[in-house]
Amino acid sequence: NAGVTQTPKFRILKIGQSMTLQCTQDMNHNYMYWYRQDPGMGLKLIYYSVGAGITDKGEVPNGYNVSRSTTEDFPLRLELAAPSQTSVYFCASRWLMNTGELFFGEGSRLTVL
Amino acid sequence: DQQVKQNSPSLSVQEGRISILNCDYTNSMFDYFLWYKKYPAEGPTFLISISSIKDKNEDGRFTVFLNKSAKHLSLHIVPSQPGDSAVYFCAASATEPGYSTLTFGKGTMLLVSP
Repeated sequence: NAGVTQTPKFRILKIGQSMTLQCTQDMNHNYMYWYRQDPGMGLKLIYYSVGAGITDKGEVPNGYNVSRSTTEDFPLRLELAAPSQTSVYFCASRWLMNTGELFFGEGSRLTVL
Repeated sequence: DQQVKQNSPSLSVQEGRISILNCDYTNSMFDYFLWYKKYPAEGPTFLISISSIKDKNEDGRFTVFLNKSAKHLSLHIVPSQPGDSAVYFCAASATEPGYSTLTFGKGTMLLVSP
């Protein structure tokens, strides 16, 4: 049982490039989330999804896009990368909407130069 | 506006002693709270949770206390072990419809020395 899988684990981008962070979960969770963690700043919610075809903005959505075509996958797209997007990105999922634990992936460390 | 606050960025404790990590929240809609532990280069892992209908929840060496009137919760680790050295995040959510996310604090780095 893999849980939540994120790829890639590390990536260096140049300013203005685009990329997609992949996230897959095999627990049949409806609720999926993307967080970013900056040093000393905790986890900030970028986007979330309550089911296939339904997404919504979190606290810091600017510069990102998401899609949710299947229950399992929730990719995060960075368009026109900027140095401010240098961060560690975590994908998470859970079974229940507002109780129950979030299961996190191992994270994707992105550096924009 | 930080809705979940962990005011201590770090805490150092000796092995065998008690570790107490604190968390305050401002949103009175929050009624479900979780603690996560995070090691470097890994994702956060769930530790323990508490619902607002309780004021204490215990799981082995870990106990979470909730004081609703003070909007304060704390995580007690007894006895502390060197393997407990990690960053601990407090998180909160509301069970009201429309609240489908967790709000995290900034974390407290715990260092347990032998």
